[in-house]
Amino acid sequence: QKEVEQNSGPLSVPEGAIASLNCTYSDRGSQSFFWYRQYSGKSPELIMFIYSNGDKEDGRFTAQLNKASQYVSLLIRDSQPSDSATYLCAAVMDSNYQLIWGAGTKLIIKP
Amino acid sequence: ETGVTQSPTHLIKTRGQQVTLRCSSQSGHNTVSWYQQALGQGPQFIFQYYREEENGRGNFPPRFSGLQFPNYSSELNVNALELDDSALYLCASSLPRLAGADLSTDTQYFGPGTRLTVL
Repeated sequence: QKEVEQNSGPLSVPEGAIASLNCTYSDRGSQSFFWYRQYSGKSPELIMFIYSNGDKEDGRFTAQLNKASQYVSLLIRDSQPSDSATYLCAAVMDSNYQLIWGAGTKLIIKP
Repeated sequence: ETGVTQSPTHLIKTRGQQVTLRCSSQSGHNTVSWYQQALGQGPQFIFQYYREEENGRGNFPPRFSGLQFPNYSSELNVNALELDDSALYLCASSLPRLAGADLSTDTQYFGPGTRLTVL
């Protein structure tokens, strides 16, 4: 059973600090990875995708991928209260290109 | 806004009834995936349609069925509704993974979802 694992949280971070979210995956053949943000009662919205080892930066967000260790992380710099949401990690399975989702980490940014 | 639309927004049904949910994909996207998301869980893959054919299915019973139309819009049908079918149903559109394609085509863009409540 291919899986994506995330700590459910909640992860509480002071405003202005760096929030670090982690995700591990079991399908060693996965090549593409995604971070989505989901506010309560809303649908997921794409933050970033990454498919090369290393870091990828987009504004306050940095995604990190380590294929050897099979983990993906998301760093949010200068955290704002509006960043409070559930963050979903997803991996594309190598066998059929379907997305496998983690259960999400709830992030709370405290003013 | 992703350009993906879903209808209806909310729906209340009773056990045993049937429901049809609809999705219009983003312009240029010919692949539609459907997900069920229960409260506090990640999305669970139901099935995917590409060029009007089912292109993969998750661990859902046959009473979950779908269609894709020539304009790439899609329907999710659920028969004999059960209480556990209460969830947020999400539709996502994307481009297909083709040989030599950039991996960014795996990106899925979600509609606003349909909240189904089964009483």
